[in-house]
Amino acid sequence: RKEVEQDPGPFNVPEGATVAFNCTYSNSASQSFFWYRQDCRKEPKLLMSVYSSGNEDGRFTAQLNRASQYISLLIRDSKLSDSATYLCVVSLSSGYSTLTFGKGTMLLVSP
Amino acid sequence: GAGVSQSPSNKVTEKGKDVELRCDPISGHTALYWYRQSLGQGLEFLIYFQGNSAPDKSGLPSDRFSAERTGGSVSTLTIQRTQQEDSAVYLCASSPIWKAGVYEQYFGPGTRLTVT
Repeated sequence: RKEVEQDPGPFNVPEGATVAFNCTYSNSASQSFFWYRQDCRKEPKLLMSVYSSGNEDGRFTAQLNRASQYISLLIRDSKLSDSATYLCVVSLSSGYSTLTFGKGTMLLVSP
Repeated sequence: GAGVSQSPSNKVTEKGKDVELRCDPISGHTALYWYRQSLGQGLEFLIYFQGNSAPDKSGLPSDRFSAERTGGSVSTLTIQRTQQEDSAVYLCASSPIWKAGVYEQYFGPGTRLTVT
């Protein structure tokens, strides 16, 4: 079983749609959780951290379910500029630690 | 301010040659990481440096891979006797002192290595 598994993509959605990405992780000792965004042929950049209580940043909402070892990202009112690959990322510690990345889910938002 | 920089941006080498990839982290960042991303694959951890501590080399795929970090700043990843399966984008990241609730690795643009 892969350490971090994500929905295979791509997701093709029209502008304005709501889209949800799912992710599961295998190591129950994981402590920190993130969503990174990677544009085509660019480096990954942090989109948001994911907290147990759930957190929201504008149109983006992240949820964590530790019991199910499940992480989600919801994007509301999709924009063309949201087109990218979304990477689910976990870490074994809450401080310095290496990150374990999922393969990513590509999102294509069309006019 | 300046971000993480890597050089070269692209490198084409013949199988069996050695290559060196360089990473300049963000000034003041104490942690430095190397990852690689192969076509269609997720990012794979290679090695991690934190301050003056011994590096975590647990992700290096073979003894052909090595890395060093001089003066707590610049890092060099060396691949000896390159193989075609080494072809990938090699990404370097750095992170500052961790603050509770805030943790981010800042990635460089990567070096695209092609072994022919």
